[in-house]
Amino acid sequence: GESVGLHLPTLSVQEGDNSIINCAYSNSASDYFIWYKQESGKGPQFIIDIRSNMDKRQGQRVTVLLNKTVKHLSLQIAATQPGDSAVYFCAESFTGGGNKLTFGTGTQLKVEL
Amino acid sequence: DTAVSQTPKYLVTQMGNDKSIKCEQNLGHDTMYWYKQDSKKFLKIMFSYNNKELIINETVPNRFSPKSPDKAHLNLHINSLELGDSAVYFCASSLPGASSSYNEQFFGPGTRLTVL
Repeated sequence: GESVGLHLPTLSVQEGDNSIINCAYSNSASDYFIWYKQESGKGPQFIIDIRSNMDKRQGQRVTVLLNKTVKHLSLQIAATQPGDSAVYFCAESFTGGGNKLTFGTGTQLKVEL
Repeated sequence: DTAVSQTPKYLVTQMGNDKSIKCEQNLGHDTMYWYKQDSKKFLKIMFSYNNKELIINETVPNRFSPKSPDKAHLNLHINSLELGDSAVYFCASSLPGASSSYNEQFFGPGTRLTVL
């Protein structure tokens, strides 16, 4: 089956720096992409999403970029804070798929003081 | 508080036993899901129900049986537990997935199942 994967399993950044978490997907039918944050001992929490008809979307301190040509998306976190330390997942879905999410493998973000 | 809740948070049991995990949401959603997260943090959907009707049933052993008494509850019953069933199980809920849109899924806090 097709899958969503991440390039970096662990990312360490200094507090205040920008973080970039990458994700590759292979299902060309996917038209909706979501980033989730999972803190230790908690369930995944929605961060930001993007539809396939867009290539960039900004939220509060976060930006998601989508490159459909190479089937790649990224999550950029500005001015990374200790509270951003968590595992980040990209997930994909497609119209008519019953709202089914396929998750990537996750990236552990560690913020160093 | 409006949320997705699960009980128990931790479950430790012996191989061969039968156990259930309960999930409740008070968000007014029609669709509920069960996910399994393994030791490597990989999250995979198991089932989804829309208004008590099974919508998604991934390749899951038939020892796993979801039950939805009403649209606010989706319980997961597991028969004859095996070592490989040890994982964190997450319940989630959302508005129904429409033909032209995706609806955000809200996750519960998880149930850590340990099979000895």
